[in-house]
Amino acid sequence: KQEVTQIPAALSVPEGENLVLNCSFTDSAIYNLQWFRQDPGKGLTSLLLIQSSQREQTSGRLNASLDKSSGRSTLYIAASQPGDSATYLCAPPSGSARQLTFGSGTQLTVLP
Amino acid sequence: EPEVTQTPSHQVTQMGQEVILRCVPISNHLYFYWYRQILGQKVEFLVSFYNNEISEKSEIFDDQFSVERPDGSNFTLKIRSTKLEDSAMYFCASRSGRVYNEQFFGPGTRLTVL
Repeated sequence: KQEVTQIPAALSVPEGENLVLNCSFTDSAIYNLQWFRQDPGKGLTSLLLIQSSQREQTSGRLNASLDKSSGRSTLYIAASQPGDSATYLCAPPSGSARQLTFGSGTQLTVLP
Repeated sequence: EPEVTQTPSHQVTQMGQEVILRCVPISNHLYFYWYRQILGQKVEFLVSFYNNEISEKSEIFDDQFSVERPDGSNFTLKIRSTKLEDSAMYFCASRSGRVYNEQFFGPGTRLTVL
């Protein structure tokens, strides 16, 4: 059974900082991994999909890496802004239906 | 850009009542999912649906739950007799048939059971 751990659980940084969010998972037999953003009381916004054949995937100020062998993924956010404040969720797939297993997330606060 | 839609956005019901949550997945997608998120907790997988049948379900998805694709566009989750602990945000998702593709999520239905 896939289990996902995200560290840190919460992070508060001043605007402009570069930061790294960590995700570890137990079942490394994955084809890809998705990172999501969730604002309070809202739905899930897909940020990045990184394939198992890729080492990195970039979208704007976001960069995700994936190391299947060690069961880790990181999300790098460059030049953080107050609008980046949200909970970031890591979700590798598992099972024959490739359903996603979500971590508890990292709650990010970027202070102006 | 195609998107997954869900209705209603918020449903309030009395304990013991039946509710049906509706989703319209992205056209031409083949795999459909329901997830739920109890307030303050993780997003949890409920059930996946492929080729007009359930392909996987979690231990949460007991006999009180059922899913259906009544036509070529809608995908529904029915809860037969709601309990207080069913109060949660329910998300529908879909993906195409390719192995490496991503899941697209709807905006969710907030279910409140009184």
